[in-house]
Amino acid sequence: GAVVSQHPSWVICKSGTSVKIECRSLDFQATTMFWYRQFPKQSLMLMATSNEGSKATYEQGVEKDKFLINHASLTLSTLTVTSAHPEDSSFYICSAKESYNEQFFGPGTRLTVL
Amino acid sequence: GEDVEQSLFLSVREGDSSVINCTYTDSSSTYLYWYKQEPGAGLQLLTYIFSNMDMKQDQRLTVLLNKKDKHLSLRIADTQTGDSAIYFCAESSTGGGNKLTFGTGTQLKVEL
Repeated sequence: GAVVSQHPSWVICKSGTSVKIECRSLDFQATTMFWYRQFPKQSLMLMATSNEGSKATYEQGVEKDKFLINHASLTLSTLTVTSAHPEDSSFYICSAKESYNEQFFGPGTRLTVL
Repeated sequence: GEDVEQSLFLSVREGDSSVINCTYTDSSSTYLYWYKQEPGAGLQLLTYIFSNMDMKQDQRLTVLLNKKDKHLSLRIADTQTGDSAIYFCAESSTGGGNKLTFGTGTQLKVEL
């Protein structure tokens, strides 16, 4: 099946710093990528949807200036958490899809903000 | 908005059947999915069912859909230790890999 990778898998940062998370589709061209946030014992919450070359569409309640998403190529999307604070600590998961196909999920990135 | 609910935890003995339940509220749900999440790995699509179907079987997996009650279940026959994972149901009104609404996830623990 299609493979999606995320980097880093785990990051710890100080409060006030910015953190960038990469999501790559390794063996297919991802026309659309999705970013989710998952809290312990809770569901995946969709944060935003990005189409290659276009601005991301954010879900209600997600701060665009806080969570910057770039989908500059068909194989790479990045999520930058700007001025991170402890409440941003979470598990961030990306997924990617090609055309009218299912979403393939990355393994996730655990962010801890001290 | 859409709401998808699951019980948080299920424990079964190896060799028994597991039944994981899910309820949803969106009557326009057209596609319903089951995903498996293992530690350190991405969500893996196990199976899906269209809303005009009542049942779908795929090897050890059986999906039952009661559209009237908006209830979805996943039955795993002959559960193995390798089946231990978190299972998410999800729904979509559009399909095509577009916007998914996930349940809270059920952690399945398989004991020897």
